[in-house]
Amino acid sequence: EIVMTQFPATLSVSPGERATLSCRASQRISGNLAWYQQKPGRPPRLLLYGASTRATDIPGRFSGSGSGTEFTLTISSLQSEDFAVYYCQYYDNWPARRTFGQGTKVEIK
Amino acid sequence: QVQLQESGPGLVQPSETLSLTCTVSGGSITNYYWSWVRQPPGKGLEWIGYISHSGNTNYNPSLESRVTFSLDASKNQFSLKLTSVTAADTAVYYCARDVQQYDSSGYYLLQYFDYWGQGTLVTVSS
Repeated sequence: EIVMTQFPATLSVSPGERATLSCRASQRISGNLAWYQQKPGRPPRLLLYGASTRATDIPGRFSGSGSGTEFTLTISSLQSEDFAVYYCQYYDNWPARRTFGQGTKVEIK
Repeated sequence: QVQLQESGPGLVQPSETLSLTCTVSGGSITNYYWSWVRQPPGKGLEWIGYISHSGNTNYNPSLESRVTFSLDASKNQFSLKLTSVTAADTAVYYCARDVQQYDSSGYYLLQYFDYWGQGTLVTVSS
C-alpha cells in the first residue's frame, strides 16, 4: 500500500509570498497525482491533476511538479483567498485505490 | 454545470446502517465513475470507494466488509450503505465525480475528482 505524506503540516506565509507544499509517496509512483484546496465548511476543490495540469478556472499562480516519489505544489504569490488546507491525492491502477495525503494547512503569517 | 447533492439522515444509531444518496444534476451519470469520500471532524479525507456507471464497484479495503454502493441511472443517483456503524464513522460524507482519462500521450491513465457535493454531516450516536 502506497502512503502519501505531506509536509509541512502547517505553513505560515505572508500574503504575496511564495508557498511550496510537498507530497511524498512511500514508493515510486507515476505522475498520477492531484492536488485539492479545501476551505472550512466547504468541499475540496480540484486544483491540479496529472501532477502539473491545472484544472478549469484555476489561476496560473498554482503550479505543480515532481516525479518518482516527490511532488510539489507551488503558489507563486499567495492571495488572501489561498489560505486553506491542501491535499495531494494519488490514484493506483491495480488495485484501483485513491489515497489522500494528510493535508498541509497554509495559514497567514 | 454538474452539481452533486448528498441526502440522508444526519444521525444514525450505533450498530445501525448509514444510508446516503447522491443526486447528480446538470449532467448524466453515465460514462463516469462516482466516489464517496468522508472526513471526520477536524481530520483529513478518506476515500470510501467508487461505483462505475455500469455498476462495478471498488472499495477501500479498510471499509470493504461494511460498505455497499448502488446506482440508479434512471434517477441519476448513486447510494452508499455502511453497516454496523460506530462513533468512528462520524464524518462529513462527500460524493464526487471520479474522472479517469488517458493523458495526451495516450499511455498514462489519470484520475481525479472534479465535482463534489457540499457534504453532509452524519453523526453516529445514541
